[in-house]
Amino acid sequence: QSVLTQPPSASGTPGQRVTISCSGGSSNVGIFSVNWFQHLPGAAPKLLIHSNHQRPSGVPDRFSGSKSVTSASLAISGLQSEDEAYYYCAAWDDSVNGWVFGGGTKLTVL
Amino acid sequence: QVQLVQSGSEVKKPGSSVKVSCKASGGTLSSFAFSWVRRAPGQGLEWMGGIIPVFDIVKYAQRFQGRVTITADESTGTANMELSSLTSEDTALYYCAAAHCGGQCYSRYFYNYNLDVWGKGTTVTVSS
Repeated sequence: QSVLTQPPSASGTPGQRVTISCSGGSSNVGIFSVNWFQHLPGAAPKLLIHSNHQRPSGVPDRFSGSKSVTSASLAISGLQSEDEAYYYCAAWDDSVNGWVFGGGTKLTVL
Repeated sequence: QVQLVQSGSEVKKPGSSVKVSCKASGGTLSSFAFSWVRRAPGQGLEWMGGIIPVFDIVKYAQRFQGRVTITADESTGTANMELSSLTSEDTALYYCAAAHCGGQCYSRYFYNYNLDVWGKGTTVTVSS
């Protein structure tokens, strides 16, 4: 059982916009920034979004993040087939004194 | 170019230990803050612990406390993670992840560092 809650799956067609939610609590998302990672099969996880909404260099602006109180969202616009991957949210947690992750959302591009 | 190169796959017997290494390039160890994250089959990502070498600060996730040891070796530019008393539930893909600070890392707190760059992972299989 993951500390942060994500939907197990999401889907969309090419060109569509999809959003993935991440629900936490007052000891994690409520007080710390949220990061989002993309995990393609057989590859290393890749940091997509840090500090709730900041994109590292090289990440397309099709990816955007937001946070409100104890929930966060990742939005992917102009969906492409190469976006098919697992997406994880993460935040530091003051109660466990460590990083906590969501269970991951498998995004399927139909 | 910042890169993390991990050691190769391991097959271990139950009750034994495994040590996974992570060689960082693109800076000295003092410019990195490392974390170890694993993904067991059918499970999500799980943080095991980390080290901030410039301050020699080590932190472990509660569920691994007493079983995991994370170290950094400045002479080889390598971060290491050793997990003992292995069971089949430790069969997983183990990742080294790090924040690269550019210069010397400045904060004593892990939450000030993102998991910017990741190694490709090391498969650890525990089987009798």
